[in-house]
Amino acid sequence: DAKTTQPTSMDCAEGRAANLPCNHSTISGNEYVYWYRQIHSQGPQYIIHGLKNNETNEMASLIITEDRKSSTLILPHATLRDTAVYYCIVRMVSGGYQKVTFGIGTKLQVIP
Amino acid sequence: DVKVTQSSRYLVKRTGEKVFLECVQDMDHENMFWYRQDPGLGLRLIYFSYDVKMKEKGDIPEGYSVSREKKERFSLILESASTNQTSMYLCASSLGSGTGYQETQYFGPGTRLLVL
Repeated sequence: DAKTTQPTSMDCAEGRAANLPCNHSTISGNEYVYWYRQIHSQGPQYIIHGLKNNETNEMASLIITEDRKSSTLILPHATLRDTAVYYCIVRMVSGGYQKVTFGIGTKLQVIP
Repeated sequence: DVKVTQSSRYLVKRTGEKVFLECVQDMDHENMFWYRQDPGLGLRLIYFSYDVKMKEKGDIPEGYSVSREKKERFSLILESASTNQTSMYLCASSLGSGTGYQETQYFGPGTRLLVL
């Protein structure tokens, strides 16, 4: 799997958009970008994933650059409950199963 | 919504005890996984299963075994618990064959095990 680079920590004011960047310059053509988050002492929560088009769901938006070497996760209106560690990973799965490996992630602190 | 549940959130056991951690998913997923998560070491795969009664070793299977008698249930067994097995244990599941390249894994809430 390609490696990813994320800032160690970020702050965001409550109600504002949180933009979390991720660099994955060695991503290959058939690797997806995935985002998970982990709130303290809980299991990781899947947020969103994409291949090359921008994606949006009820939780967040994912913007992938045209060259696919970086992406941004956007939480449109951050709340205190969005305080968590956010993990960006790239994965290619063939054959049906492959382990998930998290890096250090970005610790997002939403400030009242 | 996919739901993965684990039998306990917190567990305290003594060295040498046999420990069972249960995981159940309700989405008819074929694949199930057991990880442990430790500070500084990240997420490490212990075992996974891609079908009933099928299992494969992950990166750190020593000291653990698993059982998958039914599709929805995947159990992790610590035959003789040791203090270095104190950790956060995470179960995950994914849909399985026929889903193409994407294989989203959904995690349970985790079991924090303390071995004294």
